[in-house]
Amino acid sequence: GAGVSQSPRYKVAKRGQDVALRCDPISGHVSLFWYQQALGQGPEFLTYFQNEAQLDKSGLPSDRFFAERPEGSVSTLKIQRTQQEDSAVYLCASSLRSGPTSGRARNEQYFGPGTRLTVT
Amino acid sequence: RKEVEQDPGPFNVPEGATVAFNCTYSNSASQSFFWYRQDCRKEPKLLMSVYSSGNEDGRFTAQLNRASQYISLLIRDSKLSDSATYLCVVIHSSNTGKLIFGQGTTLQVKP
Repeated sequence: GAGVSQSPRYKVAKRGQDVALRCDPISGHVSLFWYQQALGQGPEFLTYFQNEAQLDKSGLPSDRFFAERPEGSVSTLKIQRTQQEDSAVYLCASSLRSGPTSGRARNEQYFGPGTRLTVT
Repeated sequence: RKEVEQDPGPFNVPEGATVAFNCTYSNSASQSFFWYRQDCRKEPKLLMSVYSSGNEDGRFTAQLNRASQYISLLIRDSKLSDSATYLCVVIHSSNTGKLIFGQGTTLQVKP
């Protein structure tokens, strides 16, 4: 079946430009996460949606970063006035239910292929 | 100091070798533990969950020591296809389920 898709796969932006990154989660998945992965590092959490509600945005690095999921399915991560330090792979993940795993019940997150953003 | 620490490696091993990766986590509120695998320029994929009793999946064995806040992954009889970055991941006892990743350990299996 269809997995998580992201577009564009690659984006080159000049410093100061605004960018919008799209995530199409697996159909019916309640939870949607955005992560940022810098070169040579593990992914770092940015924000979390349960359906259309943004319940956690504690990982957004600055007020230039904004995310939305207005109808509880597709999500967009917007970065305003991009800076060179924003260069990274932006990963989207979705999971069927909300909340963490409990015991051996696994609420697995499925990742999209990511958008590689390069700010020049 | 990062919340989840791993030795980045790289670990270079011959085919057939046994290799072990370790990971430590600092937040005692961590309640769920995983190993993810990430191939070069690909997305992370869940390899296995880690339970206190230890668990095995084929050639892979994961262990968790809550007292020491330490997680391990053992790979037996390494294959060329095991070459990847292995990410140690924890989830806190919160209700969002956000994943907290280590830096990852790179494994290169050579013929």
